[in-house]
Amino acid sequence: GAVVSQHPSRVICKSGTSVKIECRSLDFQATTMFWYRQFPKKSLMLMATSNEGSKATYEQGVEKDKFLINHASLTLSTLTVTSAHPEDSSFYICSASGGATTDTQYFGPGTRLTVL
Amino acid sequence: GENVEQHPSTLSVQEGDSAVIKCTYSDSASNYFPWYKQELGKRPQLIIDIRSNVGEKKDQRIAVTLNKTAKHFSLHITETQPEDSAVYFCAATPGKLIFGTGTRLQVFP
Repeated sequence: GAVVSQHPSRVICKSGTSVKIECRSLDFQATTMFWYRQFPKKSLMLMATSNEGSKATYEQGVEKDKFLINHASLTLSTLTVTSAHPEDSSFYICSASGGATTDTQYFGPGTRLTVL
Repeated sequence: GENVEQHPSTLSVQEGDSAVIKCTYSDSASNYFPWYKQELGKRPQLIIDIRSNVGEKKDQRIAVTLNKTAKHFSLHITETQPEDSAVYFCAATPGKLIFGTGTRLQVFP
């Protein structure tokens, strides 16, 4: 149980385009989903927290208009990187909580974004 | 806000030896402390967690201890195997996970 999927696993795009990443909880209802960014050989940096049906809470320094988060249902959250630039290239990972133990987070497999 | 420090950053052990990774946290309100294992290019996998009402928890070769007074918690891996090689992250939360900086564990055959 507690499986989280994420799509796409890899994406390469041109500078200036927008990219959408989907995060799904497959076998439980995720009351809260989280989006992280991870640079090579670094820890996970929380970008934002989203609760179903409400606006996401962004961490300090994360641009809301740059990283659009939507949590439209209890099983799906999306992150859209708008007008992507090479510095946005990174490993983006989502997690979801709301399973049997509400504070436990289960992670998706991540999306490697490369902006040319 | 919460701040989590993790040591060491790298750890090399011989197969069969024990490995210990230590973390400290700053927010006394933190009440949940998970440990994640991450292999290269993969998702973090929860390996064990502990809540603030418990001092120690064990699952086969893995154990975690928590000292609330000192605000530190540790991961202990006994009888290490090469497949234990990975990056391990501690985290603390009341609400949102704040991760430590990670420990790269290498187990040599």
